[in-house]
Order: sequence, then C-alpha cells, then structure tokens
Amino acid sequence: GENVEQHPSTLSVQEGDSAVIKCTYSDSASNYFPWYKQELGKRPQLIIDIRSNVGEKKDQRIAVTLNKTAKHFSLHITETQPEDSAVYFCAARTVADSWGKLQFGAGTQVVVTP
Amino acid sequence: GAVVSQHPSRVICKSGTSVKIECRSLDFQATTMFWYRQFPKQSLMLMATSNEGSKATYEQGVEKDKFLINHASLTLSTLTVTSAHPEDSSFYICSGTDSKGNTIYFGEGSWLTVV
Repeated sequence: GENVEQHPSTLSVQEGDSAVIKCTYSDSASNYFPWYKQELGKRPQLIIDIRSNVGEKKDQRIAVTLNKTAKHFSLHITETQPEDSAVYFCAARTVADSWGKLQFGAGTQVVVTP
Repeated sequence: GAVVSQHPSRVICKSGTSVKIECRSLDFQATTMFWYRQFPKQSLMLMATSNEGSKATYEQGVEKDKFLINHASLTLSTLTVTSAHPEDSSFYICSGTDSKGNTIYFGEGSWLTVV
C-alpha cells in the first residue's frame, strides 16, 4: 500500500518568512495529493491540492509542487503570518483505489512567531 | 459547499460500555465513508472504509468486532465503539466522498473519552 513520509515534524519561522514542508510517497499509481491544515480538535481543512498531471499549483501565498519521477511533493507558504500556525498534513491517493482512500503523512507543526 | 455533519462532538463513556458516533452527509450522497482515528499530536490513521450497503473494509490491526461500522444509507454512516476501554480515547473523524470520489469532505470530529 501507499506510504507517505513528511518532513519536518516541526517548523518554526519568523513572520514574513517562507515555510516549506516536504512529502514523499511510495506508490507510483498515486494521482492526487492534497494538503490539509488542522487546528487542535478540529477537522482538517483542505488548503490546496494537486493532481498528477500538473507540476505546480499556486493559490495566493500557498503553492504546491509535484515531482512524479522522484515521487515527492512540497508545500510552500510565503509571507507567513501568525494565523498560519497549525499542523499541516500531506496526503496521497492512489488511482488504483477507486474509493479515494487517502494516506496521510505524519504532520508538521508550524509555528509562526511575530 | 458539501457538508458532513458529525455527532457527538464530545462524549465521555464508562469503560465497558458502547458509544455510537454518527456522520451525515447533508447535501450530497456519500457513496463512500472513511473513518479515522487521531491520537494527540499524531496523524490521521484510517480505520475502515465503507460503501453504502456493503460491509466495511477494515485496515490491518483494526478490530472489526470492536469498531462496528454501518453505512445503511447514502447519507448516514455510524461508528460504534463497543466495550470501550481508556485506550480507545481518541479523536474520531469521518470523511465522505460521492460516487466520483473527486472531493473528500470531513466531519467535525468526535472526542471520545473513556473513563
């Protein structure tokens, strides 16, 4: 089955700096890679996603890049703000699983200090 | 957008009792529901996948007789934790997807505390 690794586990950045979180996946059949932001005790919120036919996607301060050959994808947050502090999870879904089952990474605790 | 409503948000039960958590899709037909468990400071771990009208498929290591999943309709799936023990205390969260499987909608999650 799919295995997703995520690094780093914690990330501290100064407000205004950029944050980068990296994930690797094992199943070359995976075709959908969402990123979620989760605040304590709340549901994960989808912040951006990318499909395997695209190499990069951007939405304001957030961007995701995908390297299918290397089987890794990254989340980039620019001009970080204190409200960006949360836990971020990457996930991968394999096309072989028609139910759309997601395998999550371990998560990254992002702390943005003013 | 589509919504998955999950109840209860918090529940405390005594050890040995059972507790039921419900997830309802409010404006779409959830062909498939996923149930996750999340321990503090850890990731979401998939417990089981259920298709409406079919038996759930459980992930390795998840006891199907302890975590009963019912997906009797396209808008309702339930997770029953039977004979709960303190180690079952966790955040349980569901997600639903329609027949196309393109978008996944999460419920609000349920905090279970077994005392």
